[in-house]
Amino acid sequence: DGGITQSPKYLFRKEGQNVTLSCEQNLNHDAMYWYRQDPGQGLRLIYYSQIVNDFQKGDIAEGYSVSREKKESFPLTVTSAQKNPTAFYLCASSGPGSLNEQYFGPGTRLTVT
Amino acid sequence: GENVEQHPSTLSVQEGDSAVIKCTYSDSASNYFPWYKQELGKGPQLIIDIRSNVGEKKDQRIAVTLNKTAKHFSLHITETQPEDSAVYFCAAGSGGSYIPTFGRGTSLIVHP
Repeated sequence: DGGITQSPKYLFRKEGQNVTLSCEQNLNHDAMYWYRQDPGQGLRLIYYSQIVNDFQKGDIAEGYSVSREKKESFPLTVTSAQKNPTAFYLCASSGPGSLNEQYFGPGTRLTVT
Repeated sequence: GENVEQHPSTLSVQEGDSAVIKCTYSDSASNYFPWYKQELGKGPQLIIDIRSNVGEKKDQRIAVTLNKTAKHFSLHITETQPEDSAVYFCAAGSGGSYIPTFGRGTSLIVHP
């Protein structure tokens, strides 16, 4: 059963703590993306990676970090430097076989208090 | 960079009516235009897409039209049903290093 998994579905943290969101795909896609979604704001790109061991900043990378050590995995760390981390986070992937179509995971809702 | 405007932000229709959502884009190099449907608490799912070499594409009750000259594309849903209620996003981008730009979304409400 191919797809993208994100865990956990809901995550709660205290202010000042770093937190890592998981994203795994078994679609054999080269490219992976992280988006942040806030009400009425659409999807804003945080980071993307087009190949293992390489990643690029998106439009709102400040306060976030990523790694891409394996093709299947692209974890996102929300650091304490992110001023407003409470949001819905979406991971996506795309590959040459999908002709740029992005497949999205189910999302993680992060609440920081 | 690319800029995508999407209208309206909210659309309320009666069951059986048609719904139209419109997007404009700024970068003439964009050649791939997907539409996504997002249900509450879930990730977006691709429902239809169109490439720049095609002017219209249809899949059952949904269709997308593209006007490259005017740089706008639209989603048309006919015979709407309550299960069509969701947030719809358009996006635009180009091949190669594909980094799409998304519109802000349209909340479609279909009243039974």
